[in-house]
Amino acid sequence: GESVGLHLPTLSVQEGDNSIINCAYSNSASDYFIWYKQESGKGPQFIIDIRSNMDKRQGQRVTVLLNKTVKHLSLQIAATQPGDSAVYFCAENQGAQKLVFGQGTRLTINP
Amino acid sequence: GAVVSQHPSRVICKSGTSVKIECRSLDFQATTMFWYRQFPKQSLMLMATSNEGSKATYEQGVEKDKFLINHASLTLSTLTVTSAHPEDSSFYICSARIGTAASEAFFGQGTRLTVV
Repeated sequence: GESVGLHLPTLSVQEGDNSIINCAYSNSASDYFIWYKQESGKGPQFIIDIRSNMDKRQGQRVTVLLNKTVKHLSLQIAATQPGDSAVYFCAENQGAQKLVFGQGTRLTINP
Repeated sequence: GAVVSQHPSRVICKSGTSVKIECRSLDFQATTMFWYRQFPKQSLMLMATSNEGSKATYEQGVEKDKFLINHASLTLSTLTVTSAHPEDSSFYICSARIGTAASEAFFGQGTRLTVV
């Protein structure tokens, strides 16, 4: 079946550097995407979202880019901080307002 | 912001027993609640969708008789894992949705179930 997946399972960056987390999706009909942050032992926390009629959206220190041509989604985190260490999931709205989650990327911020 | 509370946060039960997990929306009424299961180092997998006052809709491969869902009010949904086995050990997460948009779903803190 169709699914949302992530290119890299782990990512380590130095504190203060920028990080980019990628996600590939296969359902071309998906019209809405969300990035979540999940800390150990906790539920997902909403970071930022983007609709398919946009290709970029910015938040505080985060930017999401959407490339519908290649079905690719990315999350950029600027000036990373230790508190950014977590697992990041992209999620795709696959009809009936159901969210399908990608496999996740573990981001580690090194001091 | 909207708060979703799960209880308990951790539970250990013996094989063959049943355990109930509660999901409450504390400051809003949830039209729909979702239950997910997450195995270690894996993603969240949707188990079922429940609407207040109606039967839950289960995802393919999820046994409805094993994972009983009750959504008796707009602020409470429960998941009961019946006759639990060690392979049911997992992290169970609920989300509650205010309206109809995916963006309006808020997640609980999860419940770690260990079956021994």
